[in-house]
Amino acid sequence: GIQVEQSPPDLILQEGANSTLRCNFSDSVNNLQWFHQNPWGQLINLFYIPSGTKQNGRLSATTVATERYSLLYISSSQTTDSGVYFCAVVSNDYKLSFGAGTTVTVRA
Amino acid sequence: DAGVIQSPRHEVTEMGQEVTLRCKPISGHNSLFWYRQTMMRGLELLIYFNNNVPIDDSGMPEDRFSAKMPNASFSTLKIQPSEPRDSAVYFCASSLERGYTEAFFGQGTRLTVV
Repeated sequence: GIQVEQSPPDLILQEGANSTLRCNFSDSVNNLQWFHQNPWGQLINLFYIPSGTKQNGRLSATTVATERYSLLYISSSQTTDSGVYFCAVVSNDYKLSFGAGTTVTVRA
Repeated sequence: DAGVIQSPRHEVTEMGQEVTLRCKPISGHNSLFWYRQTMMRGLELLIYFNNNVPIDDSGMPEDRFSAKMPNASFSTLKIQPSEPRDSAVYFCASSLERGYTEAFFGQGTRLTVV
């Protein structure tokens, strides 16, 4: 199956800092999503972005499907941004496969 | 829409007992997925349905696990008999169309088998 690699595995930020999370995948994809798992365990949809660039408030994402990667940008980070960020992709098998996640800790 | 609804939110059971987890997908969604999350293995797909039909159950760990989708608005994941290593958070997700549309997750069921 498709391999999904996320980096870095852990990220510690001071409140107000900016950061970039990366997702690499091993095959062409039909679908790519970014999720935030909050400290209560909920998986929150951030972006559905099989290609192109999207922005939502302080978050934005870019997927370059031809080069098999996606980036998630967090600007002016807040403590509420803490949690685990997952990238998930769908290839020709229709399965949504997850990366191992990036754990983000934002300190006040 | 209320989103994907799972029940129960928490389940504690003794080893050997039967456990049934329930999921109501978003109305109108044709695909339903069951995932398991553990520290060791992360989020892994157990099984997915399309139009109520099981399409791929290759992620189901063993015969003790079974899943059904009797209609478009309800699915169950059953473990019989349960074992301590089944302890995990189980998520249900649904999407409008498999593979090409956004998937939405329920709040999960935290299962503890003692």
